Amino acid sequence: DAKTTQPPSMDCAEGRAANLPCNHSTISGNEYVYWYRQIHSQGPQYIIHGLKNNETNEMASLIITEDRKSSTLILPHATLRDTAVYYCIVGPLNAGGTSYGKLTFGQGTILTVHP
Amino acid sequence: EPEVTQTPSHQVTQMGQEVILRCVPISNHLYFYWYRQILGQKVEFLVSFYNNEISEKSEIFDDQFSVERPDGSNFTLKIRSTKLEDSAMYFCASSVGPHSSYNSPLHFGNGTRLTVT
Repeated sequence: DAKTTQPPSMDCAEGRAANLPCNHSTISGNEYVYWYRQIHSQGPQYIIHGLKNNETNEMASLIITEDRKSSTLILPHATLRDTAVYYCIVGPLNAGGTSYGKLTFGQGTILTVHP
Repeated sequence: EPEVTQTPSHQVTQMGQEVILRCVPISNHLYFYWYRQILGQKVEFLVSFYNNEISEKSEIFDDQFSVERPDGSNFTLKIRSTKLEDSAMYFCASSVGPHSSYNSPLHFGNGTRLTVT
């Protein structure tokens, strides 16, 4: 699976947009970009994923650059409850082109939303 | 919204003892997983399970570990002879289809904290 690089921490004011960057310069053509987050003492929570088009759901927006080497997760109006570790994950694929869910988590970005 | 539930939330066991961690995946999900997170470290994949057999496993998932779906609802992780280094948070997850299919993200439970003394 391609490796991702994220800043270790970011701050955001409540009510403002939080923009979390991720670099994945070695991404393969058929690998997705996934975002999960982990609120303290809880299991990881799926946020959004995309292949090459920008995506939006009720939680967030995902902007993927045209060359697919980087992406940005946008939380449009951050709240205190969005304080969490955010993981950008690429893949997963095995040699057969499918995978049964082996996600490779990095250290992620600790997002702190303050009042 | 349906959830993955895990029991117990905290398990304390002595080194060398067997432990079984239990999970109830979301009812229409077909793919099941265990992950673990040692305190202060990354979330690590252990194993995936589909159609009553292991689909993929990591190097961590050695002969001391086993998984089972004993009935239509539970999914268990057994550690035969626990070691101190098995102390971690263990997360169960499930998905409708394989994670590579478009609308099949993993849904995680809130974990069982295993403490081996």
